[in-house]
Amino acid sequence: IAGITQAPTSQILAAGRRMTLRCTQDMRHNAMYWYRQDLGLGLRLIHYSNTAGTTGKGEVPDGYSVSRANTDDFPLTLASAVPSQTSVYFCASRGEGQGYGYTFGSGTRLTVV
Amino acid sequence: EDQVTQSPEALRLQEGESSSLNCSYTVSGLRGLFWYRQDPGKGPEFLFTLYSAGEEKEKERLKATLTKKESFLHITAPKPEDSATYLCATAAYSGAGSYQLTFGKGTKLSVIP
Repeated sequence: IAGITQAPTSQILAAGRRMTLRCTQDMRHNAMYWYRQDLGLGLRLIHYSNTAGTTGKGEVPDGYSVSRANTDDFPLTLASAVPSQTSVYFCASRGEGQGYGYTFGSGTRLTVV
Repeated sequence: EDQVTQSPEALRLQEGESSSLNCSYTVSGLRGLFWYRQDPGKGPEFLFTLYSAGEEKEKERLKATLTKKESFLHITAPKPEDSATYLCATAAYSGAGSYQLTFGKGTKLSVIP
């Protein structure tokens, strides 16, 4: 089934540890995004990539890094996790043409303790 | 800075009781207004894209409309399975032929049998 796969689905992480959230899509979409969703704050953009080999910063990029080595994969790395990074993380992609809405993954629930 | 405000934050309806959700926005150069549905523990699911004032789109019991300053999601004769959080987002150009979405905080709809 075409779509976005995120892993892991949930994780409890000790503060200070490094963590990579994985995101893979099989739709050959050029644009990919990472959002975090927090109660009362909604979805906020962390980083994005308009095409393989390029990345950009969103609204809340501090403490996060991304890479886009190929079209399908867009991992998000927390270099040294802090409790404020406890959140639900969603990866999304968009196909060509303005009529295409974003396709979202099912999310990773991360708890930093 | 683009802003998207949704109201009400929560809405409880009896089954069959029609109502509307509101999304007001301030954005320079709107390139699309999007509606998503999000079920608990899942990623947002794309519903509609609207591009210009006066445009309307329908899907089952849902109809989305757009004016120059706001969008409405009308729900006609809702059923319990329509219970979800509904998210509104505006599109802004981010360069290289791509764009990013700014999301509102959502309206949590509960339809009571």
